[in-house]
Order: sequence, then C-alpha cells, then structure tokens
Amino acid sequence: DAGITQSPRHKVTETGTPVTLRCHQTENHRYMYWYRQDPGHGLRLIHYSYGVKDTDKGEVSDGYSVSRSKTEDFLLTLESATSSQTSVYFCAISGQGGQETQYFGPGTRLLVL
Amino acid sequence: AQKITQTQPGMFVQEKEAVTLDCTYDTSDPSYGLFWYKQPSSGEMIFLIYQGSYDQQNATEGRYSLNFQKARKSANLVISASQLGDSAMYFCAMREGLGPNTDKLIFGTGTRLQVFP
Repeated sequence: DAGITQSPRHKVTETGTPVTLRCHQTENHRYMYWYRQDPGHGLRLIHYSYGVKDTDKGEVSDGYSVSRSKTEDFLLTLESATSSQTSVYFCAISGQGGQETQYFGPGTRLLVL
Repeated sequence: AQKITQTQPGMFVQEKEAVTLDCTYDTSDPSYGLFWYKQPSSGEMIFLIYQGSYDQQNATEGRYSLNFQKARKSANLVISASQLGDSAMYFCAMREGLGPNTDKLIFGTGTRLQVFP
C-alpha cells in the first residue's frame, strides 16, 4: 500500500469556522491531489500540486485553498466552512504525472453543521 | 457533457460467476488513460487496473480484465469468478493528456456491485 495518511479522519465543525485537512505521504511522490466525494457525483478534483509551492485548481476549487511547503505534506483549507462542504475528502498521490497511477489515502469525513 | 458514464447504478452477481461493469468515455485527446477503482464499504479507494489509449492489448490483473473498445469509447471491467469480497462500489476514471500539469482524473458516478452466495 502507498504510504498516505490523512488527518483528521473524521471532523464535525460549525458553519463559518476554518478547517484544515492534512495529507501526508512517505513515497516522495511529486504529484498530490485533493478530491471530494459526494453521492451522485463520484470524485471531483478540488486542487492539485505538481511540486513544492506549485499548485493549481481543479473543477470544484471555490471555497478551498491549498498549500504545499514540503514534498510530503499537502494541506487543504476551508477558510469558512459551509454546509455544502460536508463531504468525504480524499487525498491522492502519483509519481511523475503522465501515465502514473494515482493512489488514494483513507479519506476524511467532514460534517459542517 | 459527461466525460465518464457508468449507466449501471447497481449490479447483482452470483458467487463464482463473471460480471461486466460498463464504462463509456468521451474525449477528443488521442492520449488518455482509463482506470478502475474499487471502494468497499470501509471507504478506501483501491486501484484495480489501468488501460492506456495506445495499448494494443486489453489490460488484465488477476481476476480483473478491461474490455477496451476504442472505437466505441468503452472500457468495461470484467470480474471473473466473483467472490463475496468483490461486493463494493466500482468507479471508472479517465486521465486526459500527458505532461507535467495535466495528470487529472475524471470519475464516473460508480456502480454498486453486490455478490450473493
């Protein structure tokens, strides 16, 4: 199994509060991704990173920001959580992009009340 | 337009039988990759199999094979000799293009497979 951990694994928060989710990898992979999974939508890309300090937006990036100061860590921040951001969040990693397979972390279940 | 379509919300199969999960895709890029992932009830996403658009042969991984029909833009997953542990959600995904900044996956909505004894 790819060495990917996510923290926290579960979180309940209130509308308007900031939330940061952490993805940590031990594979030294260049690419890291954040997806959200909602019923009826499969997984959708929020943001991704192609190197330290290099990030780009995915299809559902509004309301989210990311940071990557080290190869092994990719942080996803909800500046002011809303109920529509209640979801399961998955981090993924891949080696060189291109034809590399993406491997997923265990997921974080976030509930915004 | 939806780029990955999985038309079967749910499928049932008897243990030891084979089952095909459908996936069609839409892209104008000649270079792409197709993936299948399994998500059991515990929630993790498990990579199963990969097919590149230029691969001449259908991919196989143990009991999993991918029936790749490029002209029809379909990439169906075939699971042979189903086991109770195969009960899960299955997602088809496509990666478009090649290059340093284009490694993004687009997922279908999934098919829930239930294997019964």
